[in-house]
Amino acid sequence: NAGVTQTPKFRILKIGQSMTLQCAQDMNHNYMYWYRQDPGMGLKLIYYSVGAGITDKGEVPNGYNVSRSTTEDFPLRLELAAPSQTSVYFCASAGRVQTNEKLFFGSGTQLSVL
Amino acid sequence: AQRVTQPEKLLSVFKGAPVELKCNYSYSGSPELFWYVQYSRQRLQLLLRHISRESIKGFTADLNKGETSFHLKKPFAQEEDSAMYYCALAGTSGSRLTFGEGTQLTVNP
Repeated sequence: NAGVTQTPKFRILKIGQSMTLQCAQDMNHNYMYWYRQDPGMGLKLIYYSVGAGITDKGEVPNGYNVSRSTTEDFPLRLELAAPSQTSVYFCASAGRVQTNEKLFFGSGTQLSVL
Repeated sequence: AQRVTQPEKLLSVFKGAPVELKCNYSYSGSPELFWYVQYSRQRLQLLLRHISRESIKGFTADLNKGETSFHLKKPFAQEEDSAMYYCALAGTSGSRLTFGEGTQLTVNP
């Protein structure tokens, strides 16, 4: 079982560069999420999606974009990388975020912007 | 708005000692609360959820609506419990979890 797959695992970007973090899940989950994890700050929600074609902003969406053209994929786009985007990024999915449902997380992408 | 607070960023205990990781929340409705754990070099994973009233790896957590708390407890800590622990809340409207800042637990031999 692959679960939630994130690529790449590590990346170094220069200021102003762009890149896409890939996320795919094979559990036919409707809900997908992008979080960033900063030391001492916990997990902050960037964007989420409740199904194909539907996305919404989380707590910290500035500087990012997402799309959800299929149920399986939920890529996160950084258009103009900034040092403040240095973080560990986690993608997660869930069947539905209601009672007794849990999030399945990817292994994370460590991004440094220099 | 929903908010989760974990007042301790770092917590260190000795093996065999009791451990309590604190979690407080604010939410106007009836929340669903969870504890997630991230062991070194592993994925973040669900530890337990309040609705199940379960004990996982010796950990328990009780929802106290009066104190708006969901503290995680274990009577005898083990070295393998060393990890980052996150408390999380899902509101009744569903669709998103709010995480606390996390507590790094270290269990010393």
